[in-house]
Amino acid sequence: DMKVTQMPRYLIKRMGENVLLECGQDMSHETMYWYRQDPGLGLQLIYISYDVDSNSEGDIPKGYRVSRKKREHFSLILDSAKTNQTSVYFCASSLYNTGGSYEQYFGPGTRLTVL
Amino acid sequence: GDSVTQTEGLVTLTKGLPVMLNCTYQTTYSPFLFWYVQHLNEAPKLLLKSSTDNKRTEHQGFYATLHKSSSSFHLQKSSVQLSDSALYFCALSDTNAYKVIFGKGTHLHVLP
Repeated sequence: DMKVTQMPRYLIKRMGENVLLECGQDMSHETMYWYRQDPGLGLQLIYISYDVDSNSEGDIPKGYRVSRKKREHFSLILDSAKTNQTSVYFCASSLYNTGGSYEQYFGPGTRLTVL
Repeated sequence: GDSVTQTEGLVTLTKGLPVMLNCTYQTTYSPFLFWYVQHLNEAPKLLLKSSTDNKRTEHQGFYATLHKSSSSFHLQKSSVQLSDSALYFCALSDTNAYKVIFGKGTHLHVLP
């Protein structure tokens, strides 16, 4: 059964602390993503990873960085978290379909609160 | 740049009625359109996808037709159920492109 996992599911941090969000997938997908979801704003792309050590900024990369050392794992790091980074973070991986699309599989999300 | 517009933020209707959620897009490339559904406190899941002009695609009672002439990919269902209450995202991708652009989403609230 294809699966994307995220840890932790819930996290509370104080402003200025470092945050590490972890994502794993068991499908050997090359491409992985980090999004944040805020009410009324939909899903905003933070970073894309095309494969190990091959990452690209998305639409809102400021304040975030990523690490992908193994194909199965993709980490999102917040150095010195800010209150406006309070959000729900989703990881996704994608599979290329012969029809020409990259179909995304999402993890269950991490709810991050920065106080 | 590429964009996706979902005009309704919230749609509320009674069980058994038909529904249409609007989605229009802008792109200069060959589009691939998706609908994702997200139930409360769950992850988004793919519902429908299409890149074929004027061909209806269906899944789980929902259907949509990509119309390139009007840049639209509206989601429809003939009879909504309580379990259809969720957040629905329309999304756009260029064929063979990694990046997917999501609309802001439409909440569908089905009343008994």
